Amino acid sequence: ETGVTQTPRHLVMGMTNKKSLKCEQHLGHNAMYWYKQSAKKPLELMFVYNFKEQTENNSVPSRFSPECPNSSHLFLHLHTLQPEDSALYLCASSQPGTSETDTQYFGPGTRLTVL
Amino acid sequence: AQTVTQSQPEMSVQEAETVTLSCTYDTSESDYYLFWYKQPPSRQMILVIRQEAYKQQNATENRFSVNFQKAAKSFSLKISDSQLGDAAMYFCAYRTTNNDMRFGAGTRLTVKP
Repeated sequence: ETGVTQTPRHLVMGMTNKKSLKCEQHLGHNAMYWYKQSAKKPLELMFVYNFKEQTENNSVPSRFSPECPNSSHLFLHLHTLQPEDSALYLCASSQPGTSETDTQYFGPGTRLTVL
Repeated sequence: AQTVTQSQPEMSVQEAETVTLSCTYDTSESDYYLFWYKQPPSRQMILVIRQEAYKQQNATENRFSVNFQKAAKSFSLKISDSQLGDAAMYFCAYRTTNNDMRFGAGTRLTVKP
């Protein structure tokens, strides 16, 4: 359960604040992901990084800015968010390659509330 | 676009009984992977079971098994001998070989003692 960690676990911010979410994986994986989980909606894939390179951005607003300085760390920088951005933000990692290993492992998430 | 549908927002099962959670998906791909994830209340999402589309044999992990019907694009999860610890949100997910991942909206499973 501690293979992927996320901090903070809870965050309350105003619409004019700037904050960052952090994700760290201790599994030796080379791919990392950000998901948004809203109530009663499917998980939405936001960003994908493979070997520190962003390979997918699913039409995410620019107020969300990812950063992947190395294969073990992933950040999500937040600025001028909207109340509808309140959600659970999940980080995941995987080891791209064979089908047997490319299973995503999730962190506990950051519960974000935008006031 | 690939979509994943879980038609049961909530399910309930008596402890020690068996329950089946439904999942259907829509895709034009022939090679892909299917997953069931479990998310207990306030806890981490964990993988329950996975199935490669090219394998005809249904995957099994202890009390968890799937019924994979490729032609029908159906991927149901069966939980046998349900335990209180099985109570959670269960998400069905689909992934293509290029790492495009799609999740269903989830099924909340309650286990009654």
